[in-house]
Amino acid sequence: AAGVIQSPRHLIKEKRETATLKCYPIPRHDTVYWYQQGPGQDPQFLISFYEKMQSDKGSIPDRFSAQQFSDYHSELNMSSLELGDSALYFCASSPEGLNIQYFGAGTRLSVL
Amino acid sequence: GNSVTQMEGPVTLSEEAFLTINCTYTATGYPSLFWYVQYPGEGLQLLLKATKADDKGSNKGFEATYRKETTSFHLEKGSVQVSDSAVYFCALREAGGGADGLTFGKGTHLIIQP
Repeated sequence: AAGVIQSPRHLIKEKRETATLKCYPIPRHDTVYWYQQGPGQDPQFLISFYEKMQSDKGSIPDRFSAQQFSDYHSELNMSSLELGDSALYFCASSPEGLNIQYFGAGTRLSVL
Repeated sequence: GNSVTQMEGPVTLSEEAFLTINCTYTATGYPSLFWYVQYPGEGLQLLLKATKADDKGSNKGFEATYRKETTSFHLEKGSVQVSDSAVYFCALREAGGGADGLTFGKGTHLIIQP
């Protein structure tokens, strides 16, 4: 079965650079979620989209933005990167009406 | 706000031992409750869920019962295997939460020794 696809799997950036993470949800899933997991930490919810509209907002910094496109894939844009942004970034998707989030394998971002 | 508290790890057990990982929550209303498992270097996999009081979620020999009176969702398994070694996260989502994100506990690292 198809799963949530995230790219790239690994990304290395320097301070003050920008990064774009991509997420391709499971086919026919219309809701996408982004989470950040720091080393040894629990995942923290950042933002979600339903039918291409922002739905819920968590602890997403102002330097980050995201959107969901017409094909339901989503991108997380991160600017002015800081050392503390180094983390595993997960995308999850869910179909309408089903209270389950399916997670991708994550993108590991390292900021040097 | 919502919060999830789970027992600190690491939890080290011998193979075939009985497992309990405690999880309690604070939330408004009646949230849905989940256990996710994360193997090294991998993403989060849904292990089981429960959406209302007294529901029991079960999967792969793991069980958890939604206890509203004690606001708990403890994870249990009767006989653990080495392959169960992973980090386990308890999580909740508010009732009628639409596209609300999950609130996770800090995770419990489980180590099973042969």
